[in-house]
Amino acid sequence: DVKVTQSSRYLVKRTGEKVFLECVQDMDHENMFWYRQDPGLGLRLIYFSYDVKMKEKGDIPEGYSVSREKKERFSLILESASTNQTSMYLCASSWRLAGTGELFFGEGSRLTVL
Amino acid sequence: GIQVEQSPPDLILQEGANSTLRCNFSDSVNNLQWFHQNPWGQLINLFYIPSGTKQNGRLSATTVATERYSLLYISSSQTTDSGVYFCAVSAGGTSYGKLTFGQGTILTVHP
Repeated sequence: DVKVTQSSRYLVKRTGEKVFLECVQDMDHENMFWYRQDPGLGLRLIYFSYDVKMKEKGDIPEGYSVSREKKERFSLILESASTNQTSMYLCASSWRLAGTGELFFGEGSRLTVL
Repeated sequence: GIQVEQSPPDLILQEGANSTLRCNFSDSVNNLQWFHQNPWGQLINLFYIPSGTKQNGRLSATTVATERYSLLYISSSQTTDSGVYFCAVSAGGTSYGKLTFGQGTILTVHP
């Protein structure tokens, strides 16, 4: 079974702190994604990566950056956390071939910024 | 970009009832998936179904790609079916498998 593991289920941070959310997958997937989920807004794509060291902006990249130094690991970075970044963050991965792979999600990281 | 609409937004059932959830999309797709989000937030793959029909136990799904819709059927619903059901699609090309999600259907099954 595909396993996507997110480093923290629940985090509480203060405004201005730097926040790292880490995601690891064990299926050698090329694609990795970070989404955020907010009530009434559904899931929105922040960033994705289709290969090591490659990254592309999603729909809402402002205030975020990412890092993919190894194929299995994709990190989301909030350089200076703000209260409007309080949200559920979901990492996912898939095969790249033809862009038609099934998407597998981690358990989510619920971030609260005070 | 591609638009995805799900209906109904909310659905309340008694245990044992059947239901149909609908997903309409605005363009041709090469990837369509149905997910169930459980009360703890985990999104679970139900079906990868860009076209055709699939069944898995009490759940089945049909996608009519030419008419740009997909249906998820839940038969003999159980309380554990409660949660949010998402449809997500990708229009192909250089999308790299990026999925666009619908707003979801919130299903509540009462005992």
